[in-house]
Amino acid sequence: DAGVIQSPRHEVTEMGQEVTLRCKPISGHDYLFWYRQTMMRGLELLIYFNNNVPIDDSGMPEDRFSAKMPNASFSTLKIQPSEPRDSAVYFCASSPLLEQFFGPGTRLTVL
Amino acid sequence: AQSVTQLDSQVPVFEEAPVELRCNYSSSVSVYLFWYVQYPNQGLQLLLKYLSGSTLVESINGFEAEFNKSQTSFHLRKPSVHISDTAEYFCAVSELDSGYALNFGKGTSLLVTP
Repeated sequence: DAGVIQSPRHEVTEMGQEVTLRCKPISGHDYLFWYRQTMMRGLELLIYFNNNVPIDDSGMPEDRFSAKMPNASFSTLKIQPSEPRDSAVYFCASSPLLEQFFGPGTRLTVL
Repeated sequence: AQSVTQLDSQVPVFEEAPVELRCNYSSSVSVYLFWYVQYPNQGLQLLLKYLSGSTLVESINGFEAEFNKSQTSFHLRKPSVHISDTAEYFCAVSELDSGYALNFGKGTSLLVTP
């Protein structure tokens, strides 16, 4: 298995633009997690899904953030409009139950 | 609600010396405990985990951690570190009733020098 795949690996955009981050989980994993990592706040859980259904989105910072999982092999995290304070590394992770497998992350820079 | 405290943000150590990275958690219920490692510009990788059974768990590259319920700790140790162990280490906790979401500590940066 190729592991968790995230795209793009790097994204540079200007304030106000829409940003879409993509994730392909490991086949057969029922759980999918989105995290954000910054120097100031460390690793934060944004949202997670079980069998494509959002279970807990209490970590989503604002209404500008939205996440979808239309099927078991694909998820997106969208920021609209983006702001400089959204600059961070965004990780996707999938899990069969307890152990989480992380993707390489997307480094987002909002100018 | 559970929380995870990693007491040291940075730990410098010489090659071949022993190291301990400390982790304490707060939870009143049964927990699952994990250590993840993050090398520069990479995602997190599972280093070891405690789910049940023996309180001492080991990884394939010489790290070990001991679950201490009375002290609510899960410290990570290695008797002799290598330059290649330089990385960020994260302790994480999952509660039985939390839907398997992980709560991470702030991380400890381990820097191994010759």
